[in-house]
Amino acid sequence: QVQLQQWGAGLLKPSETLSLTCTVYGGSFSGYYWSWVRQPPGKGLEWIGEINHSGSTYYSPSLKSRVTVSADTSKNQFSLKLISVTAADTAVYYCARAPLVGSTRRSYDYWGQGTLVTVSS
Amino acid sequence: DIQLTQSPSSLSASVGDRVTITCRASQDIDIYLAWFQQKPGKAPKSLIYAASSLHSGVPSNFSGNGYGTDFTLTIRSLQPEDFATYYCQQYNTYPLTFGPGTRVDIK
Repeated sequence: QVQLQQWGAGLLKPSETLSLTCTVYGGSFSGYYWSWVRQPPGKGLEWIGEINHSGSTYYSPSLKSRVTVSADTSKNQFSLKLISVTAADTAVYYCARAPLVGSTRRSYDYWGQGTLVTVSS
Repeated sequence: DIQLTQSPSSLSASVGDRVTITCRASQDIDIYLAWFQQKPGKAPKSLIYAASSLHSGVPSNFSGNGYGTDFTLTIRSLQPEDFATYYCQQYNTYPLTFGPGTRVDIK
């Protein structure tokens, strides 16, 4: 049974760096895209970025200057780093997995449990 | 960026009703459209990928259709556990984008 378990600091001050890690249990790390999605309180889902099986990264243009997604395949983990956070970055952050089938990326099949990150002075 | 619109934004329905939600893309996305269900305080649940393929374990009560720019999610007979918010997402082109969601609640 595949599980994505995520963790990281839940309370940050403005200008600090958000760091979250997602560990993959029960499945291979290769052959997938590993994504981060966030959801501000009471609002919809927003795609942040992802890393693929070969280490290529893709980011939302609105966050690209502040975000880094990386992976540690030896630990079956991938991470999100968002610098210079503001109150607008307050959201529940989710990690998610998207399979690569042949040369075609599918959509997400497994999600992490979500982490509420609050940015407040 | 590819914009996704969903209609309606919310609807009220009864158990047993047939419900259809529409997702429209601002550009051709082929079949690369997914649907997710989300209940309050929970992570999204993946329902459909490639416009019409059900994820493992998703009841056949759900179905998806469409190609290009116009897509639908249909719940054939609404069950009590289906009351939730539904999102579409395109994964044809970066940046990936989500629709604004459709809330389905009890009439």
